[in-house]
Amino acid sequence: DVVMTQSPLSLPVTLGQPASISCKSSQSLVHSDGNTYLHWLQQRPGQSPRRLIYKVSNRDSGVPDRFSGSGSGTNFTLKISRVEAEDVGIYYCMQSTHSPRAFGPGTKVDIK
Amino acid sequence: EVQLVESGGGLVKPGGSLRLSCAASGFAFSKAWMSWVRQAQGKGLEWVGRIKIKSDGVTTDYAAPVKGRFTISRDDSKNTLYLQMNSLKTEDTAVYYCMIECSSTICLPGWGQGTPVTVSA
Repeated sequence: DVVMTQSPLSLPVTLGQPASISCKSSQSLVHSDGNTYLHWLQQRPGQSPRRLIYKVSNRDSGVPDRFSGSGSGTNFTLKISRVEAEDVGIYYCMQSTHSPRAFGPGTKVDIK
Repeated sequence: EVQLVESGGGLVKPGGSLRLSCAASGFAFSKAWMSWVRQAQGKGLEWVGRIKIKSDGVTTDYAAPVKGRFTISRDDSKNTLYLQMNSLKTEDTAVYYCMIECSSTICLPGWGQGTPVTVSA
């Protein structure tokens, strides 16, 4: 089974400053169809998860452009160019290339 | 607008059964692979299982902790996803979410609000 790891697990950030979260998978996430099914989710306190980025680097509709995703193979990154107060929450990476699907443990982002 | 609305959660005794539903709207449900995901209080997200579409044989796949006890099904005529949970254990206590899977044909963002399941004597 694919294991997803994230770092850091806790990320205190200053408003207006950038933030970066790393996600690594134990196997390549390149699917036989050529796509890489690595996605990023945001879960604000008390809310359901919300997808921000799909297939590594595609921003979902309505997601601010301060969020960006990059990476390939087994190494991926979510970046927030300038953190805003509404970005507080837990961020998960998720792979849906292989079964069973797997989530990272989550990175808690809060304001310093 | 994509909408997913889960229902059917509640309190059940260990060894009991429960069926969750997820009513979908705003997208071509019959063309979307769907998954169930759960989250225990204060914990991370855990994938439960997935169902493919009719043209892919409506194939299902499950996480090891629920295999043999949980069954995912779908009714495309009702735009509804189901999760039949049998032989429930206390460790199945969680909020259960349905979500749209990202496949090569459809990759829509979609999570429901979740339905809580509590397994306790």
